[in-house]
Order: sequence, then structure tokens, then C-alpha cells
Amino acid sequence: GAVVSQHPSWVICKSGTSVKIECRSLDFQATTMFWYRQFPKQSLMLMATSNEGSKATYEQGVEKDKFLINHASLTLSTLTVTSAHPEDSSFYICSARKGAGGYETQYFGPGTRLLVL
Amino acid sequence: AQSVTQLGSHVSVSEGALVLLRCNYSSSVPPYLFWYVQYPNQGLQLLLKYTTGATLVKGINGFEAEFKKSETSFHLTKPSAHMSDAAEYFCAVSEGGSQGNLIFGKGTKLSVKP
Repeated sequence: GAVVSQHPSWVICKSGTSVKIECRSLDFQATTMFWYRQFPKQSLMLMATSNEGSKATYEQGVEKDKFLINHASLTLSTLTVTSAHPEDSSFYICSARKGAGGYETQYFGPGTRLLVL
Repeated sequence: AQSVTQLGSHVSVSEGALVLLRCNYSSSVPPYLFWYVQYPNQGLQLLLKYTTGATLVKGINGFEAEFKKSETSFHLTKPSAHMSDAAEYFCAVSEGGSQGNLIFGKGTKLSVKP
């Protein structure tokens, strides 16, 4: 199998605080993980690509100082939303890429719903 | 740039009826194409993917999709809908083959009537 977990599944925080979301590949190693954001009734938008042992690559328009990504091991990537504000409320989904040599597939976590009050 | 268009944000079918969800893509290189399903408040689950070879791809839960290069399409079908198929379906294209990033369509919500 290829299981990806996220923690927490739900988080409510006050404006101005920071929130950390974890993404783990449970039964495989992933050198590359991705972070997406999904607004209600909309598609997934790629925020950044997380590479183990190196800096993340952010998509245009995503503030890297606000959305800190750390890919500390082959099974764990974290997304920290710093100084969160209500407009950061969203559904955050990670994925981990499994395989090599042209046979890679992304497997998605169950998502984390963030509500900033 | 690659893009994905899903025709119809909402499709409703009766239980037992044919499911057809449309997806068209644009790509300047041979695409890798995917269909994902998302149940409420959950992440995405891979239904099927096309990389190379046979253009008719079979996936989980009885779904299949056919890659038609001439039509730049990758429509998802299932002969007989079940109530449990009600979910959001996303078509995606990969830039740069299997190592590329995924570009998602806006999704199609499938409703199944009893």
C-alpha cells in the first residue's frame, strides 16, 4: 500500500498564532512531498514542493515566510502557517510521491482543515 | 502551459445508470493523466492513471477512462453507478511525466439518486 497521514485533521486557532501540520508517509519513503490548498468548492492549488534535505520550492504567489515547510526525513514533512489570519482558513492537503524511474505516483493525505478565528 | 478542463461542475445520475465525467487537457508533450476521487472532508484517492501504452485504463471501484489523443480527452466512465460513488472527482495532468507536478481540473461533483 501507500498510506499518507496528516495531523491534525482539524485545528482551530486564534489570529496571530502559528499552526504546524504534519504529513507522514507511513509505509514508504518519499523524497518529495507536496502541499496543496483547497478552498470550498474549488480545486487543489499547489503551494509548494518539499524535498527531503533541501529547501522547498514555492509556487508563484505563495509566501515562503508565511508558509514554512520542513522536510526533515524521508517520511515527514511539516507545514507551519505562521501568524495565521482568517484568510488562511482553508483545507490543506499533502501528498507524497512514491516510486522512481518513471513510475512515480502521488498519494494524498486526508487533509487538515484550518479555521483561524 | 498545461491545463485541465472538466466539463460540468455537477453531474447527477440515477443509481444503476452510466456515469460519464468529462475531462479535456492541453499539453505540448505526451501527458500523464490521472483521475482522483475525494469524499467529503477527506483527501484524494487515486482512481486510475494513464502513462503510456494501452489507452483504455481500468481503475478501482469499476471505473475506467480512455485516453484519446486526437480529442485531447480522458473521460471517466462507470457502467452502473452506486450510491457510494457520490463524491467529487478531479482530473489531473502531470507536467514532465511521472516526476512532474499535478495540474488539477476544478472538479466534478457526482450525485447519485436512488
